[in-house]
Amino acid sequence: DQQVKQNSPSLSVQEGRISILNCDYTNSMFDYFLWYKKYPAEGPTFLISISSIKDKNEDGRFTVFLNKSAKHLSLHIVPSQPGDSAVYFCALGTASKLTFGTGTRLQVTL
Amino acid sequence: NAGVTQTPKFRVLKTGQSMTLLCAQDMNHEYMYWYRQDPGMGLRLIHYSVGEGTTAKGEVPDGYNVSRLKKQNFLLGLESAAPSQTSVYFCASSYPGQEGEQYFGPGTRLTVT
Repeated sequence: DQQVKQNSPSLSVQEGRISILNCDYTNSMFDYFLWYKKYPAEGPTFLISISSIKDKNEDGRFTVFLNKSAKHLSLHIVPSQPGDSAVYFCALGTASKLTFGTGTRLQVTL
Repeated sequence: NAGVTQTPKFRVLKTGQSMTLLCAQDMNHEYMYWYRQDPGMGLRLIHYSVGEGTTAKGEVPDGYNVSRLKKQNFLLGLESAAPSQTSVYFCASSYPGQEGEQYFGPGTRLTVT
């Protein structure tokens, strides 16, 4: 039973446009919500997070939105750059543990 | 600072063999984790530790054991490897209360034939 789902395995976006990555979850127990980025042959790296009491958090080109009633998390990247091409995982946390989504491979084309 | 390091980077085992994966961190983090990543499955937590001498089971602990004898090291053992344990293994560490921000190692690719 997958508690955290990223329904789009892949996404292709033109450079300069907005990339929107989505994540849905089923359990209301999570306290904090994160996005990680992963390049091939490397470990995931933390990108941005949001606590359960907020609905938006921005860091430069990256914005995370949380809709708790819909149990939906999204990551907006604008403008998208070729270096953003990677696999993005949402991760939901409670009690010092994270539950990861299945990942979305983002390709930013020229 | 090396961050989180994992040894080895690659390994091929025969079914029934045993091995130990080593994770080391130099950031003085209290918490350490072992995950496995399989295609289409994301990262799944195997075992974790909230301090030296403590360990706990994660989502997929069967077939694995762990030890945290020193704060900076977290060992993952496979006593009798099975083909289902073919995966990429990631170690991570974090401070308590940092709300999920974990630092990951580069991964170990394990193949069991």
